[in-house]
Amino acid sequence: DAKTTQPNSMESNEEEPVHLPCNHSTISGTDYIHWYRQLPSQGPEYVIHGLTSNVNNRMASLAIAEDRKSSTLILHRATLRDAAVYYCAPIAGGTSYGKLTFGQGTILTVHP
Amino acid sequence: NAGVMQNPRHLVRRRGQEARLRCSPMKGHSHVYWYRQLPEEGLKFMVYLQKENIIDESGMPKERFSAEFPKEGPSILRIQQVVRGDSAAYFCASSPRSVGGGYQETQYFGPGTRLLVL
Repeated sequence: DAKTTQPNSMESNEEEPVHLPCNHSTISGTDYIHWYRQLPSQGPEYVIHGLTSNVNNRMASLAIAEDRKSSTLILHRATLRDAAVYYCAPIAGGTSYGKLTFGQGTILTVHP
Repeated sequence: NAGVMQNPRHLVRRRGQEARLRCSPMKGHSHVYWYRQLPEEGLKFMVYLQKENIIDESGMPKERFSAEFPKEGPSILRIQQVVRGDSAAYFCASSPRSVGGGYQETQYFGPGTRLLVL
């Protein structure tokens, strides 16, 4: 399983962009990179995923390094509701499909 | 469209009792995953099931834990003879098809069952 490394915590001010990094140097060529976030006392919520190309959706953007050993989740304008624990979670292809491998996550604090 | 449902939301058991956690996937989803989150730790994969089949149970403890996803009804995670170390939040997720193999379907998580073993 791919191992991930994320900063323990990050802070941002409301309305500012936030860049959340993740290192996944052991990722294999067929692993997709998923990002989820978890609010207190709730289940994880899907944010975005990608394989090689940068991806955008209504919630965020995902920038994937050319060598795929790292990725960055970008929240373009942080709001108070974005305060959560953010996990990058590679998901393996092949026989291990279906299994999300969560790291320790980054606690994002958003200041008004 | 109702989301993934888990019940009970909170469960208290004494050491040695059995705990049964239920998960109803989203409508139209036939793949279920169970994850465990110990206090102050991240989420760990436990088991992946399709209807009537266990596909990957590599994260399940070898003893006391079992999971099923019958043809009819919810998926059940069963913990026999619970111990204090089983206290955790247990999350279920579902997807419409298996991820990987060229498909990347989102896993939708339920609100979790918080198990407390006294």
